[in-house]
Amino acid sequence: QVQLQESGPGLVKPSETLSLTCTVSGGSISSYYWSWIRQPAGKGLEWIGRIYTSGNTDYNPSLKSRVTMSVDTSKNQFSLKLSSVTAADTAVYYCARGHNFDYWGQGTLVTVSS
Amino acid sequence: QSVLTQPPSVSGAPGQRVTISCTGSSSNIGPGYDVHWYQQLPGTAPKLLIFSNNNRPSGVPDRFSGSRSGTSASLAITGLQAEDEADYYCQSYDSRLSGYVFGTGTKVTVL
Repeated sequence: QVQLQESGPGLVKPSETLSLTCTVSGGSISSYYWSWIRQPAGKGLEWIGRIYTSGNTDYNPSLKSRVTMSVDTSKNQFSLKLSSVTAADTAVYYCARGHNFDYWGQGTLVTVSS
Repeated sequence: QSVLTQPPSVSGAPGQRVTISCTGSSSNIGPGYDVHWYQQLPGTAPKLLIFSNNNRPSGVPDRFSGSRSGTSASLAITGLQAEDEADYYCQSYDSRLSGYVFGTGTKVTVL
């Protein structure tokens, strides 16, 4: 059974960079697209971007200037960096697999506050 | 920034049938990109409910069904149960944005 687990700081200061890692277990990270999705409290889902195991990326145009994703196939991990964060970036961040998000992490709350 | 529109809420009595619409455009559902549906119970991660318009993953009851026509899609829940009370989201790919898009979300209430 494939499992995804997000990890990273739960508190980030305004203007700094949010960094999260998603570790995939129970299956290989290879040959799939992997996405980051976020959800502010009480609001809907927003797709942040995706990375293929080759390293190719696609980002949400509204976040593109601040987002960087990377993948480490040797560790079965992929990562998200979101720069110049503000309070509007406070949300639960999820990682998910594929075109139809068939597996999700449990989510991690990231709060942007000084 | 959702480009797929859903009704904010729908409700029904136990045993009834409810439907949730997902309205898109010529850059997402219209050209034939697949629509997927997710169920999100309170405090949990979304769960894939319907993939590729009308397919159920293993373990999803056949009370849930999906369809797509033109620039819209629908999720139907028949024989509504208390455990179906959750938020539901549609999702597709948008060629203009070159990325995935979600619906605005619909809260289903069992009366």
